[in-house]
Amino acid sequence: GAVVSQHPSWVICKSGTSVKIECRSLDFQATTMFWYRQFPKQSLMLMATSNEGSKATYEQGVEKDKFLINHASLTLSTLTVTSAHPEDSSFYICSARDPREGTDTQYFGPGTRLTVL
Amino acid sequence: KNEVEQSPQNLTAQEGEFITINCSYSVGISALHWLQQHPGGGIVSLFMLSSGKKKHGRLIATINIQEKHSSLHITASHPRDSAVYICAVVWSTDKLIFGTGTRLQVFP
Repeated sequence: GAVVSQHPSWVICKSGTSVKIECRSLDFQATTMFWYRQFPKQSLMLMATSNEGSKATYEQGVEKDKFLINHASLTLSTLTVTSAHPEDSSFYICSARDPREGTDTQYFGPGTRLTVL
Repeated sequence: KNEVEQSPQNLTAQEGEFITINCSYSVGISALHWLQQHPGGGIVSLFMLSSGKKKHGRLIATINIQEKHSSLHITASHPRDSAVYICAVVWSTDKLIFGTGTRLQVFP
């Protein structure tokens, strides 16, 4: 199956700083990528859908000015958590759709664990 | 009521046992994913199915669209199968709805 990578795998930052997380599709071009957040012992929650070359679509309750998403190329989407606070500490997971395999398929990245002190 | 419910929430088994994890959903869907999440957090997609049954190694997934129900079976379970298994349904082009997961522990 297709491979999706994330970088970094974990990050610790101070409150008030910004953190950028990268999501890459390694062996396919992903026109659509998704960003999820998972709190401990909870389900993944979709934060936003990222389409290459256009603005991301954010889910209700997700602050677009706080979670900046850029999908500048067909293989890279970035999520920047701006002015991070301890409550932003979570596991962030991206997924990517391989357009050759239909709209129902998503390949998941390994996730990035963010800890805000 | 959650739109996707899994049972059981927690499951322990002895190595070699046959394991079944269930997923019920209340929305119309086009497909259903079974995912595996290891303690480190990374997610692996096990199956995507929209009808019938799929098999991969010791894993079998079935779905009954009319009854809005899917099952994941693990035959001859092994400690390395210990993980959280997540059911996720595809209910629109861009939306996955996730179950809360079933935490499986297989003891030697």
